[in-house]
Amino acid sequence: SAVISQKPSRDICQRGTSLTIQCQVDSQVTMMFWYRQQPGQSLTLIATANQGSEATYESGFVIDKFPISRPNLTFSTLTVSNLSPEDSSIYLCSVGTGDTEAFFGQGTRLTVV
Amino acid sequence: EDQVTQSPEALRLQEGESSSLNCSYTVSGLRGLFWYRQDPGKGPEFLFTLYSAGEEKEKERLKATLTKKESFLHITAPKPEDSATYLCAVQTFTGFQKLVFGTGTRLLVSP
Repeated sequence: SAVISQKPSRDICQRGTSLTIQCQVDSQVTMMFWYRQQPGQSLTLIATANQGSEATYESGFVIDKFPISRPNLTFSTLTVSNLSPEDSSIYLCSVGTGDTEAFFGQGTRLTVV
Repeated sequence: EDQVTQSPEALRLQEGESSSLNCSYTVSGLRGLFWYRQDPGKGPEFLFTLYSAGEEKEKERLKATLTKKESFLHITAPKPEDSATYLCAVQTFTGFQKLVFGTGTRLLVSP
């Protein structure tokens, strides 16, 4: 299994500002994933972050809005830029340990006011 | 396009009343089907991964089964602490380990 620490657990941000979310894993992993969970909805993949290469974004998500860093095999950050109320969601990072399991952090609850 | 549909959206059970949750999927090539439990304000907690039709896995009061088109999560004699949202997700051979989630089933077990 993998233990994932995500920071911050929640934040309230002003419109137009940015929030950077950190994800730390207790073991080295090749792929890390960032998901969004909008209120009352299920999880949607934002992007896949591989160490040493550019993140791969899903349809509807762009790097300018959601820049991602992956400096090493245990850490990643997701920034949500130019915040609007529509960005209020839970953001989750995830790692896969081979093909058998996928683990999630506790999530970051973002409220934009 | 890969799709996952869960039913029912919500389910209310009495303690001890067994039932099943459904997850139907349409994918290009199934690599694995995942079940998660999510409590309010928390990230999803991994339960099971199933890979081939006919496969079954059990954990305490939960048993997951898989066919070529759907998966069931059977809950036997549930307790109030089983109340949560149960999420189903699929991983495909072309998806590079990413998961496509269903919308979940909210389960409430009353004492």
